[in-house]
Amino acid sequence: KQEVTQIPAALSVPEGENLVLNCSFTDSAIYNLQWFRQDPGKGLTSLLLIQSSQREQTSGRLNASLDKSSGRSTLYIAASQPGDSATYLCAVPLNNNAGNMLTFGGGTRLMVKP
Amino acid sequence: DAGVTQSPTHLIKTRGQQVTLRCSPKSGHDTVSWYQQALGQGPQFIFQYYEEEERQRGNFPDRFSGHQFPNYSSELNVNALLLGDSALYLCASSSRVARAFFGQGTRLTVV
Repeated sequence: KQEVTQIPAALSVPEGENLVLNCSFTDSAIYNLQWFRQDPGKGLTSLLLIQSSQREQTSGRLNASLDKSSGRSTLYIAASQPGDSATYLCAVPLNNNAGNMLTFGGGTRLMVKP
Repeated sequence: DAGVTQSPTHLIKTRGQQVTLRCSPKSGHDTVSWYQQALGQGPQFIFQYYEEEERQRGNFPDRFSGHQFPNYSSELNVNALLLGDSALYLCASSSRVARAFFGQGTRLTVV
């Protein structure tokens, strides 16, 4: 059974810092991995999707890497801003295929202080 | 193009009652999955609907049931509500194995 873990559970940093969020998964036979952002009480916004054949994906100040063999992914946020404050979730497909059946980690709650 | 829409946004029910939540998928999407997210936790997969049938189910009791209509919209029904059913319920849609898009969720409070 696939299990996804995120460390740390919460993180507080001053504005401008570069930071790394970690995600680990137990079954390396994944089809892809997604990072989501969730604002309090809201739905999920997809940030980045990395296919199993890729090593990383970039979008603006965000960079996500994937190491399938070690069962790890990292989300790097450059020059953090107060608007980045949110919960960040990583997820992998439930059954080693794509689509909308996902297993999520518990999330990292990020606070960026002005 | 409207994304995934869920209704209602908030709901308060009494223990033992039944509730129905609704989801309209993004245009062009034919597959809908439902998730339960307790406070401070990641979403947990409930079940997926495709071609009006439940295709896969997570670790949830039979009190949780669903339906998909010919226009691909979906309902989540929960019977005999428990206090522990209080959560944010999320709907995700996709075109079969393509990338998932999530709605804004329905906050259910059971008192």
